[in-house]
Amino acid sequence: NAGVTQTPKFQVLKTGQSMTLQCAQDMNHNSMYWYRQDPGMGLRLIYYSASEGTTDKGEVPNGYNVSRLNKREFSLRLESAAPSQTSVYFCASSEVGPSGRWVFGPGTRLTVL
Amino acid sequence: TQLLEQSPQFLSIQEGENLTVYCNSSSVFSSLQWYRQEPGEGPVLLVTVVTGGEVKKLKRLTFQFGDARKDSSLHITAAQPGDTGLYLCAGAPGNQFYFGTGTSLTVIP
Repeated sequence: NAGVTQTPKFQVLKTGQSMTLQCAQDMNHNSMYWYRQDPGMGLRLIYYSASEGTTDKGEVPNGYNVSRLNKREFSLRLESAAPSQTSVYFCASSEVGPSGRWVFGPGTRLTVL
Repeated sequence: TQLLEQSPQFLSIQEGENLTVYCNSSSVFSSLQWYRQEPGEGPVLLVTVVTGGEVKKLKRLTFQFGDARKDSSLHITAAQPGDTGLYLCAGAPGNQFYFGTGTSLTVIP
């Protein structure tokens, strides 16, 4: 039982390059999320998927796209990376309901030069 | 504008001391979570509170949800070096959770 896994752990991009961050969970959770964490800003929601086949924008979706590939996998794509997207990205999954269990992945540290 | 304000932002205390961390908002939350995050890792969920006035205990940690469901506190009794980390609160005014900026706690042996 690995929980939530993210790849890669580290990435350096040049401005304008594209990349996809991968996330997978093995807990049979319906909901999955992508957050970014910046110093002094806390975690901010980028996109989420309440269930397989659905995706919705969060607080800061500009410059990102997502795909809920199946119940286990939720990917985040940067089409044209910008220095403002330098951040630590966390994927999370949760059970349904306000008291549902939430699990975060270990994060991907992205630097855009 | 931050939906959730946490205080203090930084806290450094001696082992054995007690401390309280606060999470405040002008919004009403259907539920509120507390997490601890260690450097280089993802946040780990400590507790979820859903009822106004609710108090939950997790060993030396006591969590309280305000009666009006707008604020919460985390109290640690007899802090230990292993409690060191970033403590985050997250509130759900609707069906999504918004995070505070966190309290960075250092417990000195």
